[in-house]
Amino acid sequence: DGGITQSPKYLFRKEGQNVTLSCEQNLNHDAMYWYRQDPGQGLRLIYYSQIVNDFQKGDIAEGYSVSREKKESFPLTVTSAQKNPTAFYLCASSPDPLALTYEQYFGPGTRLTVT
Amino acid sequence: GNSVTQMEGPVTLSEEAFLTINCTYTATGYPSLFWYVQYPGEGLQLLLKATKADDKGSNKGFEATYRKETTSFHLEKGSVQVSDSAVYFCALSLASGGSYIPTFGRGTSLIVHP
Repeated sequence: DGGITQSPKYLFRKEGQNVTLSCEQNLNHDAMYWYRQDPGQGLRLIYYSQIVNDFQKGDIAEGYSVSREKKESFPLTVTSAQKNPTAFYLCASSPDPLALTYEQYFGPGTRLTVT
Repeated sequence: GNSVTQMEGPVTLSEEAFLTINCTYTATGYPSLFWYVQYPGEGLQLLLKATKADDKGSNKGFEATYRKETTSFHLEKGSVQVSDSAVYFCALSLASGGSYIPTFGRGTSLIVHP
């Protein structure tokens, strides 16, 4: 079964700690994305990658970092510099780096709570 | 830049009622248009899409027509069910000025009562 997996489903951390969210896909897609979702704000793009070993900042990249060493993996690190990290994080992929006509495929999300 | 505007929710309906969720867009060019659905605690999944003007996307009783003249892609369903309760996102995708990122609306929550 092809798809995107995100782990864990729920994650709890203390303030000041870095935390890494996992995203893996076996769809052989070139493009991968990280979004943050807060109530009433829709999806906001954190980072995206159109090809291995390359990634670009999205609208709210401050306090986050990513890597794309393998086509199937795109982990997101939430650093202590992120002022308000508690949110629902969604990973997505697309077979078309331009994402013009192909839809995005989303993982189930990770809910991060920082106290 | 590109943008998507959806009607604010929540939209509350009784089972078997007619549903319309409005979506309009602003884009410099000819985007592809999408509706995604998100059930509680889950990721988004594609509901339907249209890639050119006058195309109609349809799936699971939902329909939307790409109207270039009104820059709209309104979602409709003739008879909603309780199981349709979810958040619906309108989105566009367009290559413009080196940016190839889909743009999402804020989402519209639908609540269907028995």
